[in-house]
Amino acid sequence: DAKTTQPPSMDCAEGRAANLPCNHSTISGNEYVYWYRQIHSQGPQYIIHGLKNNETNEMASLIITEDRKSSTLILPHATLRDTAVYYCIVKTSGTYKYIFGTGTRLKVLA
Amino acid sequence: GAVVSQHPSWVICKSGTSVKIECRSLDFQATTMFWYRQFPKQSLMLMATSNEGSKATYEQGVEKDKFLINHASLTLSTLTVTSAHPEDSSFYICSARDGGSRAGNTIYFGEGSWLTVV
Repeated sequence: DAKTTQPPSMDCAEGRAANLPCNHSTISGNEYVYWYRQIHSQGPQYIIHGLKNNETNEMASLIITEDRKSSTLILPHATLRDTAVYYCIVKTSGTYKYIFGTGTRLKVLA
Repeated sequence: GAVVSQHPSWVICKSGTSVKIECRSLDFQATTMFWYRQFPKQSLMLMATSNEGSKATYEQGVEKDKFLINHASLTLSTLTVTSAHPEDSSFYICSARDGGSRAGNTIYFGEGSWLTVV
């Protein structure tokens, strides 16, 4: 599975959009991009995933560049409860073993 | 929605004893479950893949005789930390694959189990 690179930490003002980048320059054609987050002392929570098209759900939007080498998770109106570590994971459809990188620690500020 | 439950949420045990952590899929059948370990301020590290009815597959560097995994049914996998030592103190997290067609092979994570060995 492709390796991902994320900034170690980010701050975002409450009510503003949080844009979390992820670099996956070695991604291959059949690999999906998944995003999970982990709030302190809890298990990871699924957010969204995509292959090449942009995706949106009730939690977030996922923007994948045309060359698929990077993506951005967007939380449109961040709240204090969105403070967490966000993990970008790339994996092949049909495999279910997730390899977690270091993630981005997002702090939403009041 | 699908839920994966772990029990216990936290446990304290004496050094040298064994402790069992359960991972249950509550409303779906999980043919595959995964066990992770997470030390404070670190990322999740995959320990092993647990397949129902067969032996678990361990990641490199994980002692299979120390971390016994049993996946006897489609809704339950257990991790037993044998002869626990203080360095085994960690946050243990399981995940389960919902292979049902409605779920699109989604992975769900449990809430985690804190183990403290004293």
